[in-house]
Amino acid sequence: DAKTTQPNSMESNEEEPVHLPCNHSTISGTDYIHWYRQLPSQGPEYVIHGLTSNVNNRMASLAIAEDRKSSTLILHRATLRDAAVYYCILRVLAAGNKLTFGGGTRVLVKP
Amino acid sequence: EAGVAQSPRYKIIEKRQSVAFWCNPISGHATLYWYQQILGQGPKLLIQFQNNGVVDDSQLPKDRFSAERLKGVDSTLKIQPAKLEDSAVYLCASSRLAGKETQYFGPGTRLLVL
Repeated sequence: DAKTTQPNSMESNEEEPVHLPCNHSTISGTDYIHWYRQLPSQGPEYVIHGLTSNVNNRMASLAIAEDRKSSTLILHRATLRDAAVYYCILRVLAAGNKLTFGGGTRVLVKP
Repeated sequence: EAGVAQSPRYKIIEKRQSVAFWCNPISGHATLYWYQQILGQGPKLLIQFQNNGVVDDSQLPKDRFSAERLKGVDSTLKIQPAKLEDSAVYLCASSRLAGKETQYFGPGTRLLVL
């Protein structure tokens, strides 16, 4: 399975930006980078995904390095509701586009 | 649009008993997934259905776990007999199509095996 590496946890202050790094050095040209998050006692929810270019949506921004070996999820203004585990996942074409979740990064937002 | 529904939300059983979980995906979603999430870990895919056919069950412990998706809509996941290590949250997800589409997850069923 294609592997991603994320820090176990990060802390942020409310209303400040949060930058969540993800390393994926074995990524291949057809693998998409997906981010999901899981709030306490809920199922994961989709956040954003991208292939090569940076992506923005109402929830977050995804910055992808030029060599695609790393990416960063950016929450522009963290709120208490953003406290969750954030998963960086490679969707691998060769593996039937299966999503393989790692351990994720637990984000704590302090008021 | 209604989300993915799962029941029950919680279940406590003794080891060697059997248990079944039910999932109703989002209307029109052809692909359905069952994941197992052990405490402190990310979800692990157990089985993927495309309509009522199995696409991937490589990580399903087939000696005790079974799943079906009759008529290509609702699905049930069964464990028989349960072991202590089956204590986990069982998540159901669905997507319009396989692979490239966003997966939508239900709230999960929390199973405790004593």
